Amino acid sequence: SQQGEEDPQALSIQEGENATMNCSYKTSINNLQWYRQNSGRGLVHLILIRSNEREKHSGRLRVTLDTSKKSSSLLITASRAADTASYFCATDEEMGRRALTFGSGTRLQVQP
Amino acid sequence: NAGVTQTPKFQVLKTGQSMTLQCAQDMNHEYMSWYRQDPGMGLRLIHYSVGAGITDQGEVPNGYNVSRSTTEDFPLRLLSAAPSQTSVYFCASRVDRARGNTIYFGEGSWLTVV
Repeated sequence: SQQGEEDPQALSIQEGENATMNCSYKTSINNLQWYRQNSGRGLVHLILIRSNEREKHSGRLRVTLDTSKKSSSLLITASRAADTASYFCATDEEMGRRALTFGSGTRLQVQP
Repeated sequence: NAGVTQTPKFQVLKTGQSMTLQCAQDMNHEYMSWYRQDPGMGLRLIHYSVGAGITDQGEVPNGYNVSRSTTEDFPLRLLSAAPSQTSVYFCASRVDRARGNTIYFGEGSWLTVV
């Protein structure tokens, strides 16, 4: 079963709008990471938020983490056509194997 | 510094054939892993290694073998390919001295089993 589950599965917006993706997970974590995947390519790390952090910013990205609700959100502000990609959350579990567990992703389409 | 390099990029196999997906990293990372990605399923962990000589099973290990004779290389072997192994395979690595390090991915290997 997937530790992280993203919502929505697909999102289509216009250029300039904000895009929000959500991730829920099941177990205690050390950190949560967001990755981006362009079509036909590998995943690229975007941002990491530790379990003792509540919010983090990186450029046009804003990530929040609510450990009480076991959820995170990724906000992309002022979206661009080049932001079109799939976005995955990945959890680094507190216990268990030292591997990230990925959700099934959100496919973002930004219309020019 | 090439990062994580996977070969081949594309491969078509017949059912029952065996093959090895190669993975190499030049970042001196201790931790390496193999994932498979299927439509709507995200990435699922096949096998991983926390250092040379040490491997362990992930979420979906059946039908795959790995070895880690050096820090740099982590090949994935398909013993007897089956159509259910048609997927995109990603090798990844990270420094494992402390959790919280990000993962670096290869560009993927597209495998089709007919």
